[in-house]
Amino acid sequence: GENVEQHPSTLSVQEGDSAVIKCTYSDSASNYFPWYKQELGKRPQLIIDIRSNVGEKKDQRIAVTLNKTAKHFSLHITETQPEDSAVYFCAATKLSGTYKYIFGTGTRLKVLA
Amino acid sequence: GAVVSQHPSRVICKSGTSVKIECRSLDFQATTMFWYRQFPKQSLMLMATSNEGSKATYEQGVEKDKFLINHASLTLSTLTVTSAHPEDSSFYICSARHAPGQETNTGELFFGEGSRLTVL
Repeated sequence: GENVEQHPSTLSVQEGDSAVIKCTYSDSASNYFPWYKQELGKRPQLIIDIRSNVGEKKDQRIAVTLNKTAKHFSLHITETQPEDSAVYFCAATKLSGTYKYIFGTGTRLKVLA
Repeated sequence: GAVVSQHPSRVICKSGTSVKIECRSLDFQATTMFWYRQFPKQSLMLMATSNEGSKATYEQGVEKDKFLINHASLTLSTLTVTSAHPEDSSFYICSARHAPGQETNTGELFFGEGSRLTVL
């Protein structure tokens, strides 16, 4: 089955610096890679996603890159702000049939003011 | 977007009792819902996939007789923790997505608010 590994488990950055979180997946058939942000006590919410037919996607301060050959994908947050502090989860799945989402182990990001 | 509502948000029960958690898709039909368990400072562990009108698919290591899942309609899935014990205390969260093939299906999973279960 699918396995998703995520690093680092914790990340502290100074406000204004960039943060990078990396994930690897095992199932080469996976074609959809979302990133979720979970603030303390709240439900996870989608912040950005990428499909396997593109290598990079950007939305303002966040971007995701995908390397299908290496089965790696990464989340990049630039100009970090205190409100970016949260737990971030990557996931991998297939957009067909009754697909299930397997999540990475999560990264707790702390942006220090 | 879409809204998924989960109830109750918190429940405390005595050891040996059963607890039911409801997950509803409020503004869309969800043929499939997913139940996750989240331990403190840990990831979302998939417990089972709930399929409308059929049996749930459980992940390896998850006891189906312990965690009963019923998906009787396109907008409601329930998780019943039977004969709960303190080790079942956890944060349970459901999620749903639009059905494959629908224009609204972007692949996004929509999560409920989660239910914190404490078994005394």
